[in-house]
Amino acid sequence: DAKTTQPPSMDCAEGRAANLPCNHSTISGNEYVYWYRQIHSQGPQYIIHGLKNNETNEMASLIITEDRKSSTLILPHATLRDTAVYYCIVRVSGIQGAQKLVFGQGTRLTINP
Amino acid sequence: DGGITQSPKYLFRKEGQNVTLSCEQNLNHDAMYWYRQDPGQGLRLIYYSQIVNDFQKGDIAEGYSVSREKKESFPLTVTSAQKNPTAFYLCASSIVGGLNTEAFFGQGTRLTVV
Repeated sequence: DAKTTQPPSMDCAEGRAANLPCNHSTISGNEYVYWYRQIHSQGPQYIIHGLKNNETNEMASLIITEDRKSSTLILPHATLRDTAVYYCIVRVSGIQGAQKLVFGQGTRLTINP
Repeated sequence: DGGITQSPKYLFRKEGQNVTLSCEQNLNHDAMYWYRQDPGQGLRLIYYSQIVNDFQKGDIAEGYSVSREKKESFPLTVTSAQKNPTAFYLCASSIVGGLNTEAFFGQGTRLTVV
């Protein structure tokens, strides 16, 4: 299974872009990179995912390097409500094609006023 | 509204008692998952199921049991064999097939064993 490495914590000023890095150097060719976030004591929320092209939605942008060994989640204009733990996940396949989600420790992002 | 529901939100039990956590989804998803989260830690996979009447152990299945008798339901039983059952439990669901799918999570059940 591919593993991911994220910094344990980051700070960002409100209104600025928050750039969250993730390393996944052992990712295989057909594995997607997913990002979720978890606000304190709630269930994780899906943000965005991608395979090899950059992706953008209403929440964030995902930049994946050409060799796919790392990616960056960008929150373009961070607000206080973006304070959360952000998880970078590589989607893996288990027995009989079941799709496991393997979470790491994530990055605790704090948006400061 | 479609979604995934966990109940109850808070649960207290005495040590040595089995307890069952409920997870229901009306998203018509085939796959369902149970995770455990300890304070300040990431999520760890307990069990997952791809289809009715079939499930697989995750990374920390010891002391837990599940059933999948209906597509919509995936209850988790925390047995007395689980040595440290106090934790935040999260249920999730997703479609099966391909890799281009996201999981939807419930709001969790916080279990405290005293």
